Amino acid sequence: DVKVTQSSRYLVKRTGEKVFLECVQDMDHENMFWYRQDPGLGLRLIYFSYDVKMKEKGDIPEGYSVSREKKERFSLILESASTNQTSMYLCASKRTLGNQPQHFGDGTRLSIL
Amino acid sequence: DQQVKQNSPSLSVQEGRISILNCDYTNSMFDYFLWYKKYPAEGPTFLISISSIKDKNEDGRFTVFLNKSAKHLSLHIVPSQPGDSAVYFCAASARDYKLSFGAGTTVTVRA
Repeated sequence: DVKVTQSSRYLVKRTGEKVFLECVQDMDHENMFWYRQDPGLGLRLIYFSYDVKMKEKGDIPEGYSVSREKKERFSLILESASTNQTSMYLCASKRTLGNQPQHFGDGTRLSIL
Repeated sequence: DQQVKQNSPSLSVQEGRISILNCDYTNSMFDYFLWYKKYPAEGPTFLISISSIKDKNEDGRFTVFLNKSAKHLSLHIVPSQPGDSAVYFCAASARDYKLSFGAGTTVTVRA
């Protein structure tokens, strides 16, 4: 079974802090993704990476950056946290080739005070 | 601009009956469609998928139907069970790795 592990289930930070969310997958997947989930909006793509050190902006990248130094690890960085970044953050991974589902971690519930 | 829409935010169904969830899309380049199930405080779990070369895919109690001309897909759950109570997300992709998600439908199965 694919295992996608997010480092924290719940996180509380203050406005202006730099926040790091970590994600690790154990299936040697090439592609990794960060989403946020908000009520009534579904899942929205923040950033994705199709290989080590490669990244592309998703639909809502403003205020975020990412890092992929190793194939198994994909980090989401909130450069200066703001209250409108309070959300559920979900990491996912998949193989590149063919139609394959993305596999998700359990999410990090982030609150910015 | 949301390319995948789930117009019913919620659905209530009696245990043992059929649940039908609907999804519409606007992008004609979408060629792969998925349904995910999500419990509170957990990540989405992949349920079933269908590629655009098919119009039906079945897996146990779950069947997905695709109508390309109408840009519509649906998920049928038969029979519905209490453990099916969850949020269901429809998603689609167009060969570029990215998935576009609908807003979700909350299903409640009544005993």
